Amino acid sequence: DVKVTQSSRYLVKRTGEKVFLECVQDMDHENMFWYRQDPGLGLRLIYFSYDVKMKEKGDIPEGYSVSREKKERFSLILESASTNQTSMYLCASSGGQGHEQYFGPGTRLTVT
Amino acid sequence: QQQVKQSPQSLIVQKGGISIINCAYENTAFDYFPWYQQFPGKGPALLIAIRPDVSEKKEGRFTISFNKSAKQFSLHIMDSQPGDSATYFCAASSRSSGSARQLTFGSGTQLTVLP
Repeated sequence: DVKVTQSSRYLVKRTGEKVFLECVQDMDHENMFWYRQDPGLGLRLIYFSYDVKMKEKGDIPEGYSVSREKKERFSLILESASTNQTSMYLCASSGGQGHEQYFGPGTRLTVT
Repeated sequence: QQQVKQSPQSLIVQKGGISIINCAYENTAFDYFPWYQQFPGKGPALLIAIRPDVSEKKEGRFTISFNKSAKQFSLHIMDSQPGDSATYFCAASSRSSGSARQLTFGSGTQLTVLP
């Protein structure tokens, strides 16, 4: 069974704080993704990585950065958290030419 | 700009009824169309998917209908059960960098099946 784990289920941070969201997958997948999920907007891609140290911007990268130093781990960084970044953050991974993305349980981030 | 439009936003169906969710897309680069199911507190999980060279795909009570010329596809849930109550997302996939395929999601449909 593919397992994608995210470091926290719930997180509360203050405006201006630097926030790290961690994601780990155990299936040796090449590709990893970060989405945010908001009611009525579905899932929107923030960044993805197709190899170690390789990253590409998704649809809404502003205010975010990512890091992938090891194949199994993909981090999302909010350099200076703002209230409009309050959301559910979902990590996913996929392997090779596989179409299926496997999702973690999500981190609900609240920025106050 | 939403590249995949999904409707309705919410749907209430009686047990045993048929649930229908519709999606439409514009980008002809999309070449794979999955549906994801999400239960509260969980991440989305792949439910069923279709390629554009097929007009219909059925897996148990779940069927995708695909109309390539209209750029529309839909999910039909036959004999809907309370356990089907979840949020459903349509998506469209396209090639991206490396081996990655990028998914563009619809806005989601919250399905409630009444007992």
